[in-house]
Amino acid sequence: EAQVTQNPRYLITVTGKKLTVTCSQNMNHEYMSWYRQDPGLGLRQIYYSMNVEVTDKGDVPEGYKVSRKEKRNFPLILESPSPNQTSLYFCASSPRGDTQYFGPGTRLTVL
Amino acid sequence: KNEVEQSPQNLTAQEGEFITINCSYSVGISALHWLQQHPGGGIVSLFMLSSGKKKHGRLIATINIQEKHSSLHITASHPRDSAVYICAVRGDTGTASKLTFGTGTRLQVTL
Repeated sequence: EAQVTQNPRYLITVTGKKLTVTCSQNMNHEYMSWYRQDPGLGLRQIYYSMNVEVTDKGDVPEGYKVSRKEKRNFPLILESPSPNQTSLYFCASSPRGDTQYFGPGTRLTVL
Repeated sequence: KNEVEQSPQNLTAQEGEFITINCSYSVGISALHWLQQHPGGGIVSLFMLSSGKKKHGRLIATINIQEKHSSLHITASHPRDSAVYICAVRGDTGTASKLTFGTGTRLQVTL
């Protein structure tokens, strides 16, 4: 089944404890993105990648890192999470930056 | 002023009604997306369009590039259409993967 998977789906952590949210797609898509969704602000793009080893900042990249070592994986790294990074995170992939296929979301709480 | 504005923010309709959700944007775009977010949180891509009109089942999306405006219509609405509908635009400068989102329109369809 063609899909985008994210892990974990839910995470409660404490300020400063490094974490990684994984994202994997099995559709051989070149483009992958990370978004966060907050009440009243909607979805905002954090980082995106147009291919292996090619990444660029979105609108809200501060406090996040990404890497794209393989086409299928695009992990999101929070080196030192803070409470303002509490949010619902979505990973998405697309063949050429067109139709987006979204993962199920990761709800992160930083205490 | 946000680059992408949606109206209305909330919409309640009775089953069978014709529904229109509007999206206005202030930047030049190469494409516009309509997304549906289910009550459980999952996001599905409905349409991507750069001109004219697209139809899928009871859903119709139109775009007027000159007026920087798009509409999503739902004919013969049904309670299962209850969801948040999100408009997103891809700019016509820079890279293809950068998306800017509206804050969504929450639709509730009652029996």
